[in-house]
Amino acid sequence: DAGVTQSPTHLIKTRGQQVTLRCSPKSGHDTVSWYQQALGQGPQFIFQYYEEEERQRGNFPDRFSGHQYPNYSSELNVNALLLGDSALYLCASGSRGEQFFGPGTRLTVL
Amino acid sequence: DQQVKQNSPSLSVQEGRISILNCDYTNSMFDYFLWYKKYPAEGPTFLISISSIKDKNEDGRFTVFLNKSAKHLSLHIVPSQPGDSAVYFCAASGGNDMRFGAGTRLTVKP
Repeated sequence: DAGVTQSPTHLIKTRGQQVTLRCSPKSGHDTVSWYQQALGQGPQFIFQYYEEEERQRGNFPDRFSGHQYPNYSSELNVNALLLGDSALYLCASGSRGEQFFGPGTRLTVL
Repeated sequence: DQQVKQNSPSLSVQEGRISILNCDYTNSMFDYFLWYKKYPAEGPTFLISISSIKDKNEDGRFTVFLNKSAKHLSLHIVPSQPGDSAVYFCAASGGNDMRFGAGTRLTVKP
């Protein structure tokens, strides 16, 4: 069992660009949540996907969008990148009882 | 909105002594609480949880206490070991999303 995997590990973009981050959930999990963790902060909930639908969303602008595929893998898309979007983006699978996190994607916006 | 707060950014204890990490929350709708441990370059790892119908949950060296009236929970680690050195995040859930505190960096000195 590979657990939750994320790609890429690191990414550097410039302001205004668009980025796509990818996540494969732990085997047997059908729910994927995305979090943004800024330096010195705890993870902030972006949204959760279940059955290919966005089920719940945190306080993030529409520039943040996502998708879930039939195999439960998921993508996080961020448009019109801002410097403040620089953070570690974490994907988690599972229900609220025990979410399993991936190692994250470190996004740097220059 | 900081619905979950960890007011101590860091804590240092001696090996063998007790570590007590604290967490406060504001939303009375939260009914499930979790602690995660995070090492550098890894995603958070689930440690222990507690439902709001309980006031204590124990798992080996780790015990979580919940005081609903005070909206406060704490994690006790006894005895502390150098391998426990990590950032500890408190999380609270009241639906499909999860809110995290900013984390407390625990250092256990040999």
